[in-house]
Amino acid sequence: DVKVTQSSRYLVKRTGEKVFLECVQDMDHENMFWYRQDPGLGLRLIYFSYDVKMKEKGDIPEGYSVSREKKERFSLILESASTNQTSMYLCASTAYGYTFGSYFGSGTRLTVV
Amino acid sequence: EDQVTQSPEALRLQEGESSSLNCSYTVSGLRGLFWYRQDPGKGPEFLFTLYSAGEEKEKERLKATLTKKESFLHITAPKPEDSATYLCAVHIWGSQGNLIFGKGTKLSVKP
Repeated sequence: DVKVTQSSRYLVKRTGEKVFLECVQDMDHENMFWYRQDPGLGLRLIYFSYDVKMKEKGDIPEGYSVSREKKERFSLILESASTNQTSMYLCASTAYGYTFGSYFGSGTRLTVV
Repeated sequence: EDQVTQSPEALRLQEGESSSLNCSYTVSGLRGLFWYRQDPGKGPEFLFTLYSAGEEKEKERLKATLTKKESFLHITAPKPEDSATYLCAVHIWGSQGNLIFGKGTKLSVKP
C-alpha cells in the first residue's frame, strides 16, 4: 500500500521559532509537494521537488524553504514562524507522469502562537 | 489565468438521492484532471484521473466524466459514508507537476 507519512499530526509553535515539517514516502516517487490548506482558500502549493536536491517555488513560497537530500524525504522549513502560517500542511508525492495521481499524507495541523 | 471552479460549495442529500458535483476549468492545456475525496482532518484520497474529453471512470457509487470545459462527479444512491469534501484538480501541460485545485464541494448525506 502507498504511504506518505508526515512526522507530526499536530504542532504548536511560538512566533519566531524555526519549524521543521517532515515528509517521507515509500513509493520511490520522483515528485514531492508541500501544500497548505486553509478554509475558503483551498489547497495552495508552497514548494515542490522533482528530484533529489531540486526544488521549485509554488504559488506561496514566501516565509518557507525546503530540503530534499534523499529521494524519499522532503522537508518544509518555516524560517521564522508567524501567526499567519497557522494552517494545515499537506505533503504529497507522485511518480513522474502523474498516471495515478498524487498521494497525500494525513497532514500536519500547525498552530503558531 | 488558469482556474478551477467547483460547484456547489456545499450539497446536502438524503440517502439514496443521486446528484452531481461540477468542476469547471479554464486552463491553457489540460494534461489531466483529478478527483479526490477528503475526510475531516485527513489528507485528500485519490479517486480518479481523466485525460481526454469523453472519458469516464467509475468506482462503486461514483462516476467521473470529462468534457472540454468541465468534469462531473456523479453520485448514485449515496450513503452517509459518502459524506466528505470532494476536490477537483488539474495538471497543465508545461508545468513541472504541480496541480491546481478547486476549493471543493462539501457533501453531506443524511440517513
